[in-house]
Amino acid sequence: KQEVTQIPAALSVPEGENLVLNCSFTDSAIYNLQWFRQDPGKGLTSLLLIQSSQREQTSGRLNASLDKSSGRSTLYIAASQPGDSATYLCAVDSNYQLIWGAGTKLIIKP
Amino acid sequence: NAGVTQTPKFQVLKTGQSMTLQCAQDMNHNSMYWYRQDPGMGLRLIYYSASEGTTDKGEVPNGYNVSRLNKREFSLRLESAAPSQTSVYFCASGSNIAAPWDEQYFGPGTRLTVT
Repeated sequence: KQEVTQIPAALSVPEGENLVLNCSFTDSAIYNLQWFRQDPGKGLTSLLLIQSSQREQTSGRLNASLDKSSGRSTLYIAASQPGDSATYLCAVDSNYQLIWGAGTKLIIKP
Repeated sequence: NAGVTQTPKFQVLKTGQSMTLQCAQDMNHNSMYWYRQDPGMGLRLIYYSASEGTTDKGEVPNGYNVSRLNKREFSLRLESAAPSQTSVYFCASGSNIAAPWDEQYFGPGTRLTVT
C-alpha cells in the first residue's frame, strides 16, 4: 500500500531564505507526483506536476524534483517571501488515485 | 469562470442526521472527486466519478453515497452522520482520469462538525 510522508510537519524560516520541503513515498510505481499549496480556509492549488518520466519541474521560484528509485521528491522555494506561508502537500498518483502526504506547514517570518 | 464551487461552507449536524454536500464545476471536466481531510492527515479519497454516469469507491467510502447528477455536478450524501465524519470535505475536478493523471482543481471545502 502506497504511503506518503512529509517531513517536517512544520517549518519556520526568515524571509529571503531558500528552503527545501521533502516528500517520500513507499512504492516507486507512480504515474506522477504533484505539489499543492493550501491556504487556511481555502481549497488546494496545484503548484507543480512531475510526470514519472521527468526529473524536475520549475515554475517561477519553485522547483520540484523527483527521484522515483529512492521514493523521494523535494520542493525547493527560492528567496522565500511572507506570501509563501501556507501548508504544502505532495500527492502521488498511484493506481489512478492520489495518495496524499499530511503536509508541511510553512511560516515565513518578515 | 468560478472553477469548483461547494455548498455549504460550514455545517453542524447531530448524530444520525442526514445531509448532502453539493459540488459543481464549470470547466467542462470529465472527472470529479470527493476527499476528506482530517487534522494531521493527508486527504483521503471518498468517491470519484470518471465521467458522467459513473461513480467508484475510493479509500474511505463507508457511510457515504454520491451522485453524478450531470457533467457539472457531483454530490456527496451522509445518510446517518456520525462524529467520526467530522472533517473538512473537498470536491475536485480533473480533465482526464486516465494516466497520466491531469491536474485536479479543488473547491474551497466544507467544514462539517457532527455532534
